[in-house]
Amino acid sequence: QVQLLQWGAGLLKPSETLSLTCVVQGGSVSGYYWTWIRQPPGERLEWIGEINHRGSTNYNQTLKSRLTMSADTSKNQFSLKLSSVTAADTAVYFCARVGSGGDPSATPPFDYWGQGTLVTVSS
Amino acid sequence: SSELTQDPAVSVALGQTVRITCQGDILRSYYASWYQQKPGQAPVLVIYGRNNRPSGIPDRFSGSTSGTTASLTITGAQAEDEADYYCNSRHSSGNPVVFGGGTKVTVL
Repeated sequence: QVQLLQWGAGLLKPSETLSLTCVVQGGSVSGYYWTWIRQPPGERLEWIGEINHRGSTNYNQTLKSRLTMSADTSKNQFSLKLSSVTAADTAVYFCARVGSGGDPSATPPFDYWGQGTLVTVSS
Repeated sequence: SSELTQDPAVSVALGQTVRITCQGDILRSYYASWYQQKPGQAPVLVIYGRNNRPSGIPDRFSGSTSGTTASLTITGAQAEDEADYYCNSRHSSGNPVVFGGGTKVTVL
């Protein structure tokens, strides 16, 4: 059973860099895309971006200039960095696996999720 | 449009059927996925593709699509189905992934 365990700093000051890591247990980073999703308090889910084990990425266009994602196959984990944070970046951040939809017309499902990390940006 | 629109809230009597809809032009090209999220928890995938349920998801959950509208149906809603439900879809341009605004389902 695949499990994702995530960690990172929960309280940041404006202009600092958010840094989160997600380790894959019971499975391999190789062969999949891995994604980050966030949810501001009381708001909808927002896709941040995705990465595969080779380091190929797709980023949310509105966050792209501040985003860096990486993957470490030796540690079976992947990471997110978001620079120059503001209060608008306050959210619960989730990591998830991008599974196979089994159909070219299927939206690839996010089939395994981390537990979520609340990141608060406040001076 | 790259937007996915969901009704903010819907209620259903215990044991009855409820349909949650997700509307967006991009659904002409891609089947939506559906997620259930309970307070303080990570979302859980309940439906993906044409109408596929991951292992462990009860068969009272089903999905369908007609034109630009995807639907998640709960047949015989249970108290534990009370949650927020989100649809999402791939998009062929711009941001590859979009989410709907979520529908809060209340089981009466």
